[in-house]
Amino acid sequence: DIQMTQSPASLSASLGETVSIECLASEDIYSYLAWYQQKPGKSPQLLIYAANRLQDGVPSRFSGSGSGTQYSLKISGMQPEDEGDYFCLQGSKFPLTFGSGTKLEIK
Amino acid sequence: QVQLKESGPGLVQPSQTLSLTCTVSGFSLTSYNVHWVRQPTGKGLEWMGVIWTGGSTDYNSALKSRLSISRDTSKSQVFLKMNSLQTEDIATYYCARGLQWPHYYVMDAWGQGASVTVSS
Repeated sequence: DIQMTQSPASLSASLGETVSIECLASEDIYSYLAWYQQKPGKSPQLLIYAANRLQDGVPSRFSGSGSGTQYSLKISGMQPEDEGDYFCLQGSKFPLTFGSGTKLEIK
Repeated sequence: QVQLKESGPGLVQPSQTLSLTCTVSGFSLTSYNVHWVRQPTGKGLEWMGVIWTGGSTDYNSALKSRLSISRDTSKSQVFLKMNSLQTEDIATYYCARGLQWPHYYVMDAWGQGASVTVSS
């Protein structure tokens, strides 16, 4: 199985700050990478897919980048509603695997 | 409006079978795939399997021996059955719509989740 190593496990950011979350795949996943946000008691919401494609309706402060084994999610200007858990998902090979998650809080 | 909703018993006895139904609306099961994902409380997400538009399935090898996914397109329903449940299967179970190729792995709409406890 492809392992997705996500970092950091937790992150605290001030309003307006730019934050980055990383996912490192155990092998090349050819940009088959999505990012999700999950708030407490809610289901995950798609933010980014194909490494850098913004899902319809997602604010433009969210962006994704990367290739090969290294991928990142950037939030340019932290907002209160961005608090939550973030997960990456690889779709290059079965089984699909998720990163372990990053808890993002406001400082 | 795309919607998915999981339903089923919230309590299953150890060694028994979990049966969940995902009822979808706003799209056709013959045009979009449906994935099942589970999440133990406070933990990460685990992909369980997918039923493709043609009705074939793929499963996580870690669960394959216990898991079955099927559907009834006339009722817009997808079914998950997993046998030999144990306490490590306690989780919230989600169904989610998968996009079309090549973004088949992308789950763009999720159900609210069904909480499952295993206890006698």
